[in-house]
Amino acid sequence: QMQLQESGPGLVKPSETLSLTCTVSGDSISDHYWAWIRQPPGKGLEWMGYLYYNGRTNYNPSLKSRVSMSIDTSKNQFSLKVRSVTAADTAVYFCARGYCRGVGCQLYYFDYWGLGTLVAVSS
Amino acid sequence: EIVMTQSPLSLPVTPGEAASISCRSSQSLVDSNGYNYLDWYLQKPGQSPQLLMYLVSNRASGVPDRFSGSGSGTDFTLKISRVEAEDVGVYYCMQGLETPITFGQGTRLEIK
Repeated sequence: QMQLQESGPGLVKPSETLSLTCTVSGDSISDHYWAWIRQPPGKGLEWMGYLYYNGRTNYNPSLKSRVSMSIDTSKNQFSLKVRSVTAADTAVYFCARGYCRGVGCQLYYFDYWGLGTLVAVSS
Repeated sequence: EIVMTQSPLSLPVTPGEAASISCRSSQSLVDSNGYNYLDWYLQKPGQSPQLLMYLVSNRASGVPDRFSGSGSGTDFTLKISRVEAEDVGVYYCMQGLETPITFGQGTRLEIK
């Protein structure tokens, strides 16, 4: 059974960079999409972006200029960085696997999720 | 981007009764192969979202057959035939047809 676990600081200062890592266990990271999805307190879900195992990325345009994602298949980990954070970036951050099929790797669904980690942006 | 709109946003239900949640997309979710890329997720209190239904009407592993999904194009429905206490939480629809991937606002199901 695949498991995902987010890790990283729970508190980040405004204007600094938020960095999180997702460690995948129970299966290889070398296929499908690997996504970051966040949820501000009391609000809904926002897809931040995902990356393919070969490093190809796709970011939400609402965050594109501040977000970067990377993958380390040797460690079965992928990572998220959000630059120049503000209080609006305070949220629970989830990592998830995006199951895809077909030649173009069409996303079907997010089937495995981490438990989520709360990151607060505050001085 | 494709906007997903759910209704109702709050759904109080008596155990044993049926429940229905609507999800509408701002454009068709059908691709050239005829698949509708519409999923449903349930986020139980204090938990991460879990996949309920994919491609409109396919139940995820372990999901009871009390749950069913229907629809095509821009209008979709999730139905629970007999609500149980364990069904409480927030239900989200999500489109996976194109990026940015987008979710509905969520529908909070509570037990009366």
